[in-house]
Amino acid sequence: QKEVEQDPGPLSVPEGAIVSLNCTYSNSAFQYFMWYRQYSRKGPELLMYTYSSGNKEDGRFTAQVDKSSKYISLFIRDSQPSDSATYLCAIILTGGGNKLTFGTGTQLKVEL
Amino acid sequence: GAGVSQSPSNKVTEKGKDVELRCDPISGHTALYWYRQRLGQGLEFLIYFQGNSAPDKSGLPSDRFSAERTGESVSTLTIQRTQQEDSAVYLCASSQTGNQPQHFGDGTRLSIL
Repeated sequence: QKEVEQDPGPLSVPEGAIVSLNCTYSNSAFQYFMWYRQYSRKGPELLMYTYSSGNKEDGRFTAQVDKSSKYISLFIRDSQPSDSATYLCAIILTGGGNKLTFGTGTQLKVEL
Repeated sequence: GAGVSQSPSNKVTEKGKDVELRCDPISGHTALYWYRQRLGQGLEFLIYFQGNSAPDKSGLPSDRFSAERTGESVSTLTIQRTQQEDSAVYLCASSQTGNQPQHFGDGTRLSIL
């Protein structure tokens, strides 16, 4: 079993839709949670960073963490074609040397 | 301000050759990380530098891989006697300190013929 599981997609939605992207993880010692967006042939770009259970909102993006279920989500409201990218969840293990453990990424396409 | 800079952006080389990849972190960032992204797979941690501490090399896949960092500046990742399975995008990231968000460069796309 991988430490971080993420549905690879691809996920295709119409413009304006609400998108839900999800990851599950196996180790309860994971304490820092991030979402990155990666466009083709570019490096990952940090979208959201949180370390507590609950919701964190930034513009059209909301990150949700449920530590009891070991489940994290990213919601995108009013999705735009420019949101078409691969979304990566990433987690840091407490005491694990700050290295990120990534999901495999979900490919999202927002269509006009 | 400038982000993380990596060079070269693309590298094609023959099997068995050595390659050296370079990373310039964001100025002032004490932590620097190398990751590898193989086609269809997630990013894999390779090595982590934090200030003057001994690096965490736990992710290096073999002794053909090594990395150095001079102080809190440039880092180089060296792969000796390259193999076809080394073909991947090599990504560098930096953060202000450990546990802070990591910011990535655009990577070096390495192809081994």
